Amino acid sequence: DGGITQSPKYLFRKEGQNVTLSCEQNLNHDAMYWYRQDPGQGLRLIYYSQIVNDFQKGDIAEGYSVSREKKESFPLTVTSAQKNPTAFYLCASSSNQGVWTEAFFGQGTRLTVV
Amino acid sequence: GESVGLHLPTLSVQEGDNSIINCAYSNSASDYFIWYKQESGKGPQFIIDIRSNMDKRQGQRVTVLLNKTVKHLSLQIAATQPGDSAVYFCAWDSGYSTLTFGKGTMLLVSP
Repeated sequence: DGGITQSPKYLFRKEGQNVTLSCEQNLNHDAMYWYRQDPGQGLRLIYYSQIVNDFQKGDIAEGYSVSREKKESFPLTVTSAQKNPTAFYLCASSSNQGVWTEAFFGQGTRLTVV
Repeated sequence: GESVGLHLPTLSVQEGDNSIINCAYSNSASDYFIWYKQESGKGPQFIIDIRSNMDKRQGQRVTVLLNKTVKHLSLQIAATQPGDSAVYFCAWDSGYSTLTFGKGTMLLVSP
């Protein structure tokens, strides 16, 4: 089945650790996105990538890093510099061929700092 | 399951009623608007979209209305069912190849 897969579903991080969230899509989409979701604040854009080997900061990029070495994959690293990393993280992809179409979302990763 | 929003506006309706969820967007230059449904602990699912050259679009049991003059978007759900209970987000293109999301509205449908 075509889709976008995030793993793990739940992730626990100790203070001072870096963790990496996985996002894989087999939709042949060029564009991929990472959003953070906190209660009452909707979705906020962390990073996005329109093409392999290129990515741009979103509204809340501080404390996060990404890579886009393959079209199918867009992993997000939450670094120790992110002061409040506990949140629900959502990855999305879209075809973005010059005309807007819907973004497809994964099922999310819930990150908790312990 | 986990709640996706503890402080969201909430719309409570009875099964069979029609529901109207509203959204104010901020970018007057936006060309594309979309509604998503998010169930607890899951990723958002596409419901319906509309482009700026339209003011109304209908799907199965859903209608989206766009008023560009006042930057307002609404989602109408006909004959609301308990399975429609979820958080609904509007989103719009933000002018730099990404979507900006509204804060969301929780819809609660009572049997």
